Amino acid sequence: GNSVTQMEGPVTLSEEAFLTINCTYTATGYPSLFWYVQYPGEGLQLLLKATKADDKGSNKGFEATYRKETTSFHLEKGSVQVSDSAVYFCALTGGSNYKLTFGKGTLLTVNP
Amino acid sequence: DTEVTQTPKHLVMGMTNKKSLKCEQHMGHRAMYWYKQKAKKPPELMFVYSYEKLSINESVPSRFSPECPNSSLLNLHLHALQPEDSALYLCASSSIPLAYEQYFGPGTRLTVT
Repeated sequence: GNSVTQMEGPVTLSEEAFLTINCTYTATGYPSLFWYVQYPGEGLQLLLKATKADDKGSNKGFEATYRKETTSFHLEKGSVQVSDSAVYFCALTGGSNYKLTFGKGTLLTVNP
Repeated sequence: DTEVTQTPKHLVMGMTNKKSLKCEQHMGHRAMYWYKQKAKKPPELMFVYSYEKLSINESVPSRFSPECPNSSLLNLHLHALQPEDSALYLCASSSIPLAYEQYFGPGTRLTVT
């Protein structure tokens, strides 16, 4: 079946630091990959997506590239802000199971 | 507009109460979902409605009863809940069932006393 593994948190950074949150997946076929963000007390927001190998999803300064050879979809941002503090979920759909499969989530805290 | 709305935002209910959660989307999506999210965990799928028909029930206890009155609305009826049912209940929708991206609402924070 499908699975997503993302780096354990929490991650604590200073403002303007570089962010990487690692995500790897297991799926048959060609899944679509997503990053969702959940701000404190809120629902999930779709941050970015990629639907085929080598696609780069980007939004609000965040980027992730669909790497089929390493089955990875790492989230990066060059300069984080305090307002980026949230929980980030890597997710996929497709392959053997079209239900949305989430990683466990990574809590990011950005200090001023 | 990629907005999914949910009401109420917060709900406190006793174990003998009956209450309902509501979800609405106006994106023309034909699939709608209920998820349950416990603290510090990812969302867990409960139900999927596809073209207004229940297509997936993830073995959810019968004290949770979903309803899809039309393509824009999704309800979750609650009855005789247990304290362990306290969680954030999220509604989501997608253009077609289990399609590429799902759009989530802000959730209803449910506390069962």
